[in-house]
Amino acid sequence: QKEVEQNSGPLSVPEGAIASLNCTYSDRGSQSFFWYRQYSGKSPELIMFIYSNGDKEDGRFTAQLNKASQYVSLLIRDSQPSDSATYLCAGGFGNEKLTFGTGTRLTIIP
Amino acid sequence: GAVVSQHPSWVICKSGTSVKIECRSLDFQATTMFWYRQFPKQSLMLMATSNEGSKATYEQGVEKDKFLINHASLTLSTLTVTSAHPEDSSFYICSARDPKRGVTDTQYFGPGTRLTVL
Repeated sequence: QKEVEQNSGPLSVPEGAIASLNCTYSDRGSQSFFWYRQYSGKSPELIMFIYSNGDKEDGRFTAQLNKASQYVSLLIRDSQPSDSATYLCAGGFGNEKLTFGTGTRLTIIP
Repeated sequence: GAVVSQHPSWVICKSGTSVKIECRSLDFQATTMFWYRQFPKQSLMLMATSNEGSKATYEQGVEKDKFLINHASLTLSTLTVTSAHPEDSSFYICSARDPKRGVTDTQYFGPGTRLTVL
């Protein structure tokens, strides 16, 4: 069974610091991974995806994938209060559906 | 790019009535769309996968006769909640795949429809 696990938090990070969000997955066949941000009362918004081992950077966001350890992470540099949201990790197996984690609630403290 | 719209954004209806929610991909053709439901402070729950021109595939435990899905074109999928009851009150969100952008599994979400059944 394909599973994606996240720590539900809440994770509190001071403004300007690095927020580190982690995700593990059970299916070694997972091909791609996604990070979505969801503000309270809103729908998920795609931040970035990664499918190769290593790091992928986009602005203040860096996704890291370690397929050997079945581990995906998202780093947010220079955290801002506007980054306060729930972050969803999802894995894709190439069969259309995504398997979502339960999300990590992040709070940036001014 | 990769914009998905939903209509209506919110709806209030009486128990026993049916409600139709539309999901449109505005700037791409979506061969596959997905319908999710989310209760307050809970994670997304996939209800069904909708492919253009074919019957939807429902997840286990989702009543196909209650949640009717039609994917009539490459840019439009509809979800009809039939004979709605208060327990159907939830946040319904659609997403769409754009196979020409990013990796093929990438899903772009609509803004969601908040359904309240009185």
